[in-house]
Amino acid sequence: RKEVEQDPGPFNVPEGATVAFNCTYSNSASQSFFWYRQDCRKEPKLLMSVYSSGNEDGRFTAQLNRASQYISLLIRDSKLSDSATYLCVVSEISGTYKYIFGTGTRLKVLA
Amino acid sequence: EADIYQTPRYLVIGTGKKITLECSQTMGHDKMYWYQQDPGMELHLIHYSYGVNSTEKGDLSSESTVSRIRTEHFPLTLESARPSHTSQYLCASSAIGGGNQPQHFGDGTRLSIL
Repeated sequence: RKEVEQDPGPFNVPEGATVAFNCTYSNSASQSFFWYRQDCRKEPKLLMSVYSSGNEDGRFTAQLNRASQYISLLIRDSKLSDSATYLCVVSEISGTYKYIFGTGTRLKVLA
Repeated sequence: EADIYQTPRYLVIGTGKKITLECSQTMGHDKMYWYQQDPGMELHLIHYSYGVNSTEKGDLSSESTVSRIRTEHFPLTLESARPSHTSQYLCASSAIGGGNQPQHFGDGTRLSIL
């Protein structure tokens, strides 16, 4: 079983749709969680950190469920420019180098 | 916006050459990392550093070496490039803080060995 698992997609959604991605992690000691966006042949860019209480940034909402060991990303009112691969990243206990990347979920927003 | 820079952006070079990929950050981050990523595939950690004079190998075996003589600079060297080294190389850095801080990535170097 992979340490961080994501549905690879692609998720093809129309403009304006709401789309949700989940990511599961296997290590219950994981402490820090992030969502990154990666465009084709570009570097990953931090979209948002995920906090225990959940957090929102504009159209994006991230949630953490420690009991079930998953994090989620919700995108509302999706735009064409949201088309990208979304990477879930989990980091283990403080101080370690280990950031574990999921394989990413591809999103295509269609006109 | 993160300030981490990689050069060159693209490099096409022949087999057997010595290559150094440069990575610099101006954020004063102690932690730095090198990842390798093939198109459509996941990132693989090849080297990391906690600070000056600290370097460690990552999860993916690599024939490259790194050095960390200054906080801001973390170059990666391939002594003798081979076609199997063709890939995208991504440098990242992160701050030391409460919990783990997010990583910030450079633009990457796309390396092609002929």
